[in-house]
Amino acid sequence: GAGVSQSPRYKVAKRGQDVALRCDPISGHVSLFWYQQALGQGPEFLTYFQNEAQLDKSGLPSDRFFAERPEGSVSTLKIQRTQQEDSAVYLCASSLARGTNTEAFFGQGTRLTVV
Amino acid sequence: KNEVEQSPQNLTAQEGEFITINCSYSVGISALHWLQQHPGGGIVSLFMLSSGKKKHGRLIATINIQEKHSSLHITASHPRDSAVYICAASPADYGGSQGNLIFGKGTKLSVKP
Repeated sequence: GAGVSQSPRYKVAKRGQDVALRCDPISGHVSLFWYQQALGQGPEFLTYFQNEAQLDKSGLPSDRFFAERPEGSVSTLKIQRTQQEDSAVYLCASSLARGTNTEAFFGQGTRLTVV
Repeated sequence: KNEVEQSPQNLTAQEGEFITINCSYSVGISALHWLQQHPGGGIVSLFMLSSGKKKHGRLIATINIQEKHSSLHITASHPRDSAVYICAASPADYGGSQGNLIFGKGTKLSVKP
């Protein structure tokens, strides 16, 4: 596809369930970012990949959150033992070059609701 | 205090009005982004700028590096401009990884016909 694709668009999880959110970046994009956006707030940084290397995971809120990008393209954000406070929109973005000094392209997001 | 602050938080305008959204930041930056987010979550990049002014159609973005301030202007506003507009900063020094955007909380714009 032409843009960043995220799946699923919506996910309802029971508290304690594990979830996996997928991001397909634009082909050839080096940088990939995950953000968490709570209702009414701006997105907040979770983690950043440059190709397959996870260069920054300082924004991951707990060790229940794990992200990977094993082949430098598709990325998965996994949340173990989901809690209600994990309910948010999870946004993925990619950019052609390193970092955020080039235009970032965002996916539609995955809205996670933990019940 | 947030590192990126936007004002106003909410803005209602009549169709045709000139709109200004402001963004102030406290970190050193290498670039400043303006983004548009429609209901449903999708974000579109409008501008990325590091100095001066950029124009695209009815949208104009300006930045004053010395004052650490940027503005997004919309001329001849239209109901389809209704969205959340987000300012985001690329920090100049982020441990060398340059891997982060620091977002403002967004300005919710509603343009009435």
